[in-house]
Amino acid sequence: EAGVTQFPSHSVIEKGQTVTLRCDPISGHDNLYWYRRVMGKEIKFLLHFVKESKQDESGMPNNRFLAERTGGTYSTLKVQPAELEDSGVYFCASSQRLGLGVNYGYTFGSGTRLTVV
Amino acid sequence: DAKTTQPNSMESNEEEPVHLPCNHSTISGTDYIHWYRQLPSQGPEYVIHGLTSNVNNRMASLAIAEDRKSSTLILHRATLRDAAVYYCILSGGSNYKLTFGKGTLLTVNP
Repeated sequence: EAGVTQFPSHSVIEKGQTVTLRCDPISGHDNLYWYRRVMGKEIKFLLHFVKESKQDESGMPNNRFLAERTGGTYSTLKVQPAELEDSGVYFCASSQRLGLGVNYGYTFGSGTRLTVV
Repeated sequence: DAKTTQPNSMESNEEEPVHLPCNHSTISGTDYIHWYRQLPSQGPEYVIHGLTSNVNNRMASLAIAEDRKSSTLILHRATLRDAAVYYCILSGGSNYKLTFGKGTLLTVNP
């Protein structure tokens, strides 16, 4: 099966500009997650969709970040306006069922490396 | 979230077994032990998970201590492609989030 696809793989934008990251989960996976790693820090949870609904967005850093998942398929994460501290790698993951106590884990994409200059 | 403790780095030789330890003394009864790894320039990759019993899959084995306060990820024959950062993560029940720590950087020598 196709994996989780993210694009672009790299994005370089100027401070104050807008960037939209896209994630295509594995087909049939209702759960979609966004994580990110900023420079020198650990990978952190941002938010979780179940189909088109936001289940948990407690990890979103501020209101400059907007995630959507219209129709419960692909998801976008928009940063507007971008700041220097937003630079990092943004990962998307998907899973079939809520919870991790089952016989499979999350599948992550390769990430989008965002550089804000 | 329950915390895990892993060595910062480990080194192994190719084709030798590797035992990656993880301590999780505050684990709760509903926490599963998960292992992910991250190869350079890639996203994290699921390796294995377990609750109480030892687990085996095509990638690795997971040995869980009887008191569940520690576990060991076993790569039976390390290859150069196994060089990665390995993360031991506790999660389960209604807690769907993965809380990544610093992990263990595994270096495999040819």
